[in-house]
Amino acid sequence: SYELTQPPSVSVSPGQTARITCSGDALPKQYAYWYQQKPGQAPVLVIYKDSERPSGIPERFSGSSSGTTVTLTISGVQAEDEADYYCQSADSSGTYLVFGGGTKLTVL
Amino acid sequence: QLQLQESGPGLVKPSETLSLTCTVSGGSISSSSYYWGWIRQPPGKGLEWIGSIYYSGSTYYNPSLKSRVTISVDTSKNQFSLKLSSVTAADTAVYYCARHPHADYFLDYWGQGTLVTVSS
Repeated sequence: SYELTQPPSVSVSPGQTARITCSGDALPKQYAYWYQQKPGQAPVLVIYKDSERPSGIPERFSGSSSGTTVTLTISGVQAEDEADYYCQSADSSGTYLVFGGGTKLTVL
Repeated sequence: QLQLQESGPGLVKPSETLSLTCTVSGGSISSSSYYWGWIRQPPGKGLEWIGSIYYSGSTYYNPSLKSRVTISVDTSKNQFSLKLSSVTAADTAVYYCARHPHADYFLDYWGQGTLVTVSS
């Protein structure tokens, strides 16, 4: 079955830039999406279609794509950005949705 | 503002069928623009898509769960439902319902989630 691979954890100091990667063979064909999840809460969409930002999401959140890897970038990280981040996409045929394993972002 | 709310038993016995309903308010489940899906998250683990349904009843499921899953829709009640059969402790999770565009795969509105524990 198709898989998306994320690093388990990323740590940054406040004000620095955090980059979270997600790799998958079908990413050149399918868009990637990113979610932020804080403890006890439902996930929140922060990036869609690789690099689009939903209304209400701060500009410090951005996304990019290169080949089989997509990247979520958080510029000027704030303490409130500490959360789990999940990438999501679809298989190459668009027949099912898949999530990455998640990355825990720690703000030091 | 669109809202989704999951409901159903919080405790299910092993080998039985888990049944949950998602009630949609602030919008119509019969919109031709959206699919409605179920996602789950075992305690301390990641997200897993279970399946999605269109208002017409068209469905698609996670291949790993397909043999045990049925998702249905009731447009008259603005609800859609999940049934997962032959449950085991591995099915213990927070179950979320969510919406995604018909021509895309991102989940833009989510319910708050409901914890279902499988235990005798």
